[in-house]
Amino acid sequence: AQRVTQPEKLLSVFKGAPVELKCNYSYSGSPELFWYVQYSRQRLQLLLRHISRESIKGFTADLNKGETSFHLKKPFAQEEDSAMYYCALSTRDNYGQNFVFGPGTRLSVLP
Amino acid sequence: DAGVIQSPRHEVTEMGQEVTLRCKPISGHDYLFWYRQTMMRGLELLIYFNNNVPIDDSGMPEDRFSAKMPNASFSTLKIQPSEPRDSAVYFCASSSRRASGYTFGSGTRLTVV
Repeated sequence: AQRVTQPEKLLSVFKGAPVELKCNYSYSGSPELFWYVQYSRQRLQLLLRHISRESIKGFTADLNKGETSFHLKKPFAQEEDSAMYYCALSTRDNYGQNFVFGPGTRLSVLP
Repeated sequence: DAGVIQSPRHEVTEMGQEVTLRCKPISGHDYLFWYRQTMMRGLELLIYFNNNVPIDDSGMPEDRFSAKMPNASFSTLKIQPSEPRDSAVYFCASSSRRASGYTFGSGTRLTVV
């Protein structure tokens, strides 16, 4: 069965400190991993996806198939990064794409 | 494209009343999803449609919840009768086979008193 875990419900760091939001997945097929961000009282927005190998707002995430992880990292956290972050695993079946979301981690960047 | 449009943004209703949430997906997207978000349970998939047909409704909590998609540009999620524990933010999202990722609406914040 597909599953996404995010072990930290809440992560607090000081401004300028490095931040790492952990995500692990279980899936027997070839995974597509995503990070979504939700700022206070706003919609979920796609932050980045592993196939793009991009850096968005200073965040990066590398898919590690050996460790089945897709941790989100940023070297210097900013206060505006405070938000809820969801890791998501995309799978495909006969009907198309399905997402399994992790429980989310609330990042709080303190001044 | 204006993105996924949900209405209303906020809904406050009394226990026992019927509530209808609405969603307009992105034009050309043939997948539509309804999610519920609460502090306790996080993001839960309630139901999703493909080409207006419900594919998986196993996340619908109980018979009080129903969802329809009469055409490619409109879907409703109905709760009848509503209960205080239904209070949550309900998100609609759409996607397509070619898209990578979902596009979410702004959500409907439902409060049942």
